[in-house]
Amino acid sequence: DTAVSQTPKYLVTQMGNDKSIKCEQNLGHDTMYWYKQDSKKFLKIMFSYNNKELIINETVPNRFSPKSPDKAHLNLHINSLELGDSAVYFCASSARFPGETQYFGPGTRLLVL
Amino acid sequence: SQQGEEDPQALSIQEGENATMNCSYKTSINNLQWYRQNSGRGLVHLILIRSNEREKHSGRLRVTLDTSKKSSSLLITASRAADTASYFCATDPNPNNNDMRFGAGTRLTVKP
Repeated sequence: DTAVSQTPKYLVTQMGNDKSIKCEQNLGHDTMYWYKQDSKKFLKIMFSYNNKELIINETVPNRFSPKSPDKAHLNLHINSLELGDSAVYFCASSARFPGETQYFGPGTRLLVL
Repeated sequence: SQQGEEDPQALSIQEGENATMNCSYKTSINNLQWYRQNSGRGLVHLILIRSNEREKHSGRLRVTLDTSKKSSSLLITASRAADTASYFCATDPNPNNNDMRFGAGTRLTVKP
């Protein structure tokens, strides 16, 4: 059983499009995260939700909008995609916030053409 | 800004040798964790060491933490080809209790 799952695994799209990435965790955790891993492999946190409430919102363009319909899901919607948005996006969850061990999804590789 | 910085950026060894990776960080921390990432996959948690601990073992992994030097090391003994991956350290900054910060990782290649 996959603990943290993301869909899609790969996403290739044109500049200017709007796309969503979905994340689900079946661990019963309270906290979920979105990270962006750039080409240099740095992982940067984007957002964190605890019990469906936004608790971390790093300096991210407002074209990125997270949405947590319930504790087990955290989706990421991106409007007007730009070339620089190309990266791998990882979803993660932890039992509580501040998180200790975080469990990561497999990542969504986004390529904007 | 990045908190953990791994060193070296890349490491290549023969199977059976030990691999040592280092991590330095800037601010005080609650804990430090090491993660492994296989190519194209998500991160897998390896080990967590708290700020009041100096050394921790898990199987072939040994992690040390020196809070006075703001550094940690990950030792993998008797390496195997399957250990080939990128290894990241992540710190949980204190006292902000903000979220974990990751470095760029050390790319370890173990040759059979």
